[in-house]
Amino acid sequence: EAGVVQSPRYKIIEKKQPVAFWCNPISGHNTLYWYLQNLGQGPELLIRYENEEAVDDSQLPKDRFSAERLKGVDSTLKIQPAELGDSAVYLCASSSSPGSTDTQYFGPGTRLTVL
Amino acid sequence: DQQVKQNSPSLSVQEGRISILNCDYTNSMFDYFLWYKKYPAEGPTFLISISSIKDKNEDGRFTVFLNKSAKHLSLHIVPSQPGDSAVYFCAAGNTGNQFYFGTGTSLTVIP
Repeated sequence: EAGVVQSPRYKIIEKKQPVAFWCNPISGHNTLYWYLQNLGQGPELLIRYENEEAVDDSQLPKDRFSAERLKGVDSTLKIQPAELGDSAVYLCASSSSPGSTDTQYFGPGTRLTVL
Repeated sequence: DQQVKQNSPSLSVQEGRISILNCDYTNSMFDYFLWYKKYPAEGPTFLISISSIKDKNEDGRFTVFLNKSAKHLSLHIVPSQPGDSAVYFCAAGNTGNQFYFGTGTSLTVIP
Protein backbone atom coordinates (compact mmCIF):
# COMPACT_ATOMS: atom_id res chain seq x y z
CA GLU A 1 0.00 0.00 0.00
CA ALA A 2 1.46 3.36 -1.03
CA GLY A 3 1.82 5.88 1.74
CA VAL A 4 0.98 9.56 1.80
CA VAL A 5 2.84 11.31 -0.99
CA GLN A 6 3.94 14.92 -0.76
CA SER A 7 5.75 17.13 -3.20
CA PRO A 8 8.03 18.88 -3.38
CA ARG A 9 10.19 17.55 -0.55
CA TYR A 10 12.12 20.80 -0.33
CA LYS A 11 11.36 24.32 -1.47
CA ILE A 12 13.41 27.48 -1.20
CA ILE A 13 11.80 30.77 -2.13
CA GLU A 14 12.26 34.45 -1.50
CA LYS A 15 9.86 36.28 0.76
CA LYS A 16 6.73 37.64 -0.88
CA GLN A 17 6.75 34.85 -3.44
CA PRO A 18 3.90 32.33 -3.66
CA VAL A 19 4.40 28.65 -2.95
CA ALA A 20 2.21 25.55 -3.21
CA PHE A 21 2.46 22.10 -1.68
CA TRP A 22 0.73 19.00 -2.95
CA CYS A 23 -0.48 15.94 -1.08
CA ASN A 24 -1.87 12.63 -2.26
CA PRO A 25 -3.37 10.67 0.66
CA ILE A 26 -3.55 6.93 1.05
CA SER A 27 -6.14 5.47 -1.30
CA GLY A 28 -9.54 5.30 0.35
CA HIS A 29 -8.70 7.70 3.16
CA ASN A 30 -11.46 10.28 3.41
CA THR A 31 -9.84 12.47 6.05
CA LEU A 32 -6.87 14.64 5.16
CA TYR A 33 -4.86 16.92 7.43
CA TRP A 34 -2.31 19.62 6.84
CA TYR A 35 0.08 20.32 9.71
CA LEU A 36 2.81 22.86 10.27
CA GLN A 37 5.89 21.81 12.18
CA ASN A 38 8.37 24.41 13.32
CA LEU A 39 11.86 23.42 14.38
CA GLY A 40 11.84 21.82 17.81
CA GLN A 41 8.06 21.75 17.97
CA GLY A 42 5.34 19.20 17.41
CA PRO A 43 2.99 19.27 14.44
CA GLU A 44 0.24 21.88 14.63
CA LEU A 45 -2.98 21.38 12.72
CA LEU A 46 -3.70 23.90 9.96
CA ILE A 47 -6.74 22.34 8.35
CA ARG A 48 -8.69 19.07 8.31
CA TYR A 49 -10.79 17.82 5.42
CA GLU A 50 -13.53 15.22 5.44
CA ASN A 51 -13.73 14.34 1.75
CA GLU A 52 -13.79 17.72 -0.01
CA GLU A 53 -15.16 19.67 2.96
CA ALA A 54 -12.88 21.64 5.26
CA VAL A 55 -14.32 20.76 8.68
CA ASP A 56 -11.68 22.48 10.79
CA ASP A 57 -9.69 25.40 9.43
CA SER A 58 -9.64 27.49 12.58
CA GLN A 59 -5.82 27.42 12.74
CA LEU A 60 -5.27 28.37 9.10
CA PRO A 61 -3.99 31.97 8.65
CA LYS A 62 -6.50 32.84 6.00
CA ASP A 63 -4.93 36.13 5.01
CA ARG A 64 -2.11 34.32 3.23
CA PHE A 65 -2.84 30.59 3.41
CA SER A 66 -5.38 28.68 1.37
CA ALA A 67 -6.10 25.03 0.78
CA GLU A 68 -8.28 22.98 -1.45
CA ARG A 69 -9.30 19.39 -1.94
CA LEU A 70 -11.55 19.69 -4.92
CA LYS A 71 -12.37 16.05 -5.65
CA GLY A 72 -11.94 14.76 -2.15
CA VAL A 73 -8.63 13.09 -2.93
CA ASP A 74 -5.51 15.20 -3.59
CA SER A 75 -5.02 18.44 -1.75
CA THR A 76 -3.02 21.60 -2.30
CA LEU A 77 -1.85 24.06 0.35
CA LYS A 78 -0.84 27.51 -0.85
CA ILE A 79 0.92 30.44 0.75
CA GLN A 80 0.77 33.82 -0.95
CA PRO A 81 2.79 35.81 -0.18
CA ALA A 82 5.30 33.84 1.86
CA GLU A 83 6.97 35.47 4.86
CA LEU A 84 10.24 34.63 6.61
CA GLY A 85 8.30 33.11 9.52
CA ASP A 86 6.67 30.56 7.22
CA SER A 87 9.90 28.58 7.06
CA ALA A 88 8.93 25.20 8.49
CA VAL A 89 8.01 21.64 7.54
CA TYR A 90 4.51 21.22 6.14
CA LEU A 91 3.13 17.77 6.84
CA CYS A 92 0.16 16.09 5.24
CA ALA A 93 -1.60 13.16 6.91
CA SER A 94 -4.62 11.02 6.16
CA SER A 95 -6.86 8.64 8.05
CA SER A 96 -9.55 6.26 7.00
CA SER A 97 -12.59 7.68 8.73
CA PRO A 98 -13.86 11.03 10.00
CA GLY A 99 -12.17 12.38 13.08
CA SER A 100 -11.44 8.86 14.04
CA THR A 101 -9.01 7.46 16.46
CA ASP A 102 -7.64 5.46 13.59
CA THR A 103 -4.03 6.10 12.86
CA GLN A 104 -3.12 9.26 11.04
CA TYR A 105 -0.56 8.34 8.42
CA PHE A 106 1.89 11.12 7.71
CA GLY A 107 3.74 11.95 4.56
CA PRO A 108 7.45 12.87 4.61
CA GLY A 109 6.68 16.58 4.63
CA THR A 110 7.79 19.56 2.57
CA ARG A 111 10.56 21.62 4.08
CA LEU A 112 10.03 25.26 3.16
CA THR A 113 12.78 27.84 3.47
CA VAL A 114 11.85 31.46 2.92
CA LEU A 115 14.81 33.78 2.31
CA ASP B 1 -0.96 27.69 25.22
CA GLN B 2 0.64 24.24 25.05
CA GLN B 3 -1.99 21.61 25.71
CA VAL B 4 0.46 18.72 25.53
CA LYS B 5 3.91 18.97 27.04
CA GLN B 6 6.99 16.83 26.81
CA ASN B 7 9.37 18.37 29.27
CA SER B 8 12.42 16.31 28.37
CA PRO B 9 13.83 17.39 25.00
CA SER B 10 16.28 14.50 24.97
CA LEU B 11 17.02 11.16 26.61
CA SER B 12 19.97 8.78 26.34
CA VAL B 13 19.70 5.14 27.32
CA GLN B 14 22.00 2.14 27.09
CA GLU B 15 20.99 -0.63 24.73
CA GLY B 16 18.98 -3.29 26.54
CA ARG B 17 17.80 -0.95 29.28
CA ILE B 18 14.38 0.63 29.67
CA SER B 19 13.50 3.95 28.01
CA ILE B 20 10.77 5.99 29.68
CA LEU B 21 9.35 8.95 27.83
CA ASN B 22 6.91 11.23 29.60
CA CYS B 23 4.05 13.44 28.48
CA ASP B 24 1.66 15.72 30.34
CA TYR B 25 -1.59 17.23 29.12
CA THR B 26 -3.81 19.98 30.44
CA ASN B 27 -7.31 19.11 29.25
CA SER B 28 -9.00 16.51 31.45
CA MET B 29 -11.59 15.94 28.71
CA PHE B 30 -9.08 14.38 26.32
CA ASP B 31 -10.08 10.78 25.71
CA TYR B 32 -7.48 9.39 23.34
CA PHE B 33 -3.72 9.46 23.37
CA LEU B 34 -1.10 8.42 20.86
CA TRP B 35 2.66 8.12 20.52
CA TYR B 36 4.43 8.74 17.24
CA LYS B 37 8.02 8.07 16.28
CA LYS B 38 9.89 10.25 13.83
CA TYR B 39 13.15 9.62 12.01
CA PRO B 40 15.00 12.53 10.35
CA ALA B 41 13.57 13.62 7.00
CA GLU B 42 10.52 11.40 7.46
CA GLY B 43 7.01 12.06 8.69
CA PRO B 44 5.89 10.78 12.09
CA THR B 45 4.79 7.15 12.20
CA PHE B 46 2.19 5.81 14.58
CA LEU B 47 3.56 3.71 17.43
CA ILE B 48 0.91 2.98 20.02
CA SER B 49 -2.28 4.47 21.41
CA ILE B 50 -4.49 4.30 24.48
CA SER B 51 -8.03 5.40 25.23
CA SER B 52 -9.05 7.02 28.46
CA ILE B 53 -10.96 3.92 29.56
CA LYS B 54 -7.67 2.08 29.96
CA ASP B 55 -4.60 2.73 32.03
CA LYS B 56 -2.20 0.52 30.10
CA ASN B 57 -1.70 -0.71 26.58
CA GLU B 58 1.08 -2.99 25.48
CA ASP B 59 2.44 -3.83 22.05
CA GLY B 60 5.61 -5.88 22.01
CA ARG B 61 8.44 -3.87 23.52
CA PHE B 62 6.26 -0.76 23.80
CA THR B 63 3.88 -0.03 26.67
CA VAL B 64 1.91 3.15 27.24
CA PHE B 65 0.66 4.02 30.71
CA LEU B 66 -2.07 6.56 31.36
CA ASN B 67 -2.64 8.30 34.69
CA LYS B 68 -5.81 10.31 34.20
CA SER B 69 -5.81 11.90 37.62
CA ALA B 70 -2.33 13.25 37.03
CA LYS B 71 -3.03 13.96 33.33
CA HIS B 72 0.15 12.12 32.52
CA LEU B 73 1.13 9.40 30.13
CA SER B 74 4.36 7.61 29.59
CA LEU B 75 5.88 5.34 26.98
CA HIS B 76 8.09 2.50 28.10
CA ILE B 77 10.42 0.75 25.67
CA VAL B 78 11.92 -2.49 26.95
CA PRO B 79 14.50 -3.51 25.96
CA SER B 80 15.74 -0.44 24.12
CA GLN B 81 17.48 -1.00 20.81
CA PRO B 82 19.69 1.32 18.74
CA GLY B 83 16.98 1.39 16.04
CA ASP B 84 14.67 3.02 18.56
CA SER B 85 16.76 6.19 18.36
CA ALA B 86 14.33 8.79 17.04
CA VAL B 87 12.15 11.69 18.13
CA TYR B 88 9.01 10.60 19.96
CA PHE B 89 5.88 12.75 19.97
CA CYS B 90 2.87 12.22 22.17
CA ALA B 91 -0.52 13.47 21.03
CA ALA B 92 -3.78 13.89 22.90
CA GLY B 93 -7.29 14.87 21.98
CA ASN B 94 -10.88 13.82 21.63
CA THR B 95 -12.30 11.36 19.17
CA GLY B 96 -13.70 13.33 16.25
CA ASN B 97 -11.71 16.46 17.00
CA GLN B 98 -8.27 17.91 16.78
CA PHE B 99 -5.31 16.15 18.33
CA TYR B 100 -2.56 18.18 19.95
CA PHE B 101 1.08 17.17 19.74
CA GLY B 102 3.85 17.65 22.25
CA THR B 103 7.23 19.12 21.31
CA GLY B 104 8.92 15.73 21.14
CA THR B 105 11.67 13.89 23.00
CA SER B 106 14.78 12.85 21.14
CA LEU B 107 15.78 9.35 22.26
CA THR B 108 19.29 8.06 21.73
CA VAL B 109 19.96 4.41 22.46
CA ILE B 110 23.65 3.83 22.94
CA PRO B 111 25.00 0.48 21.71
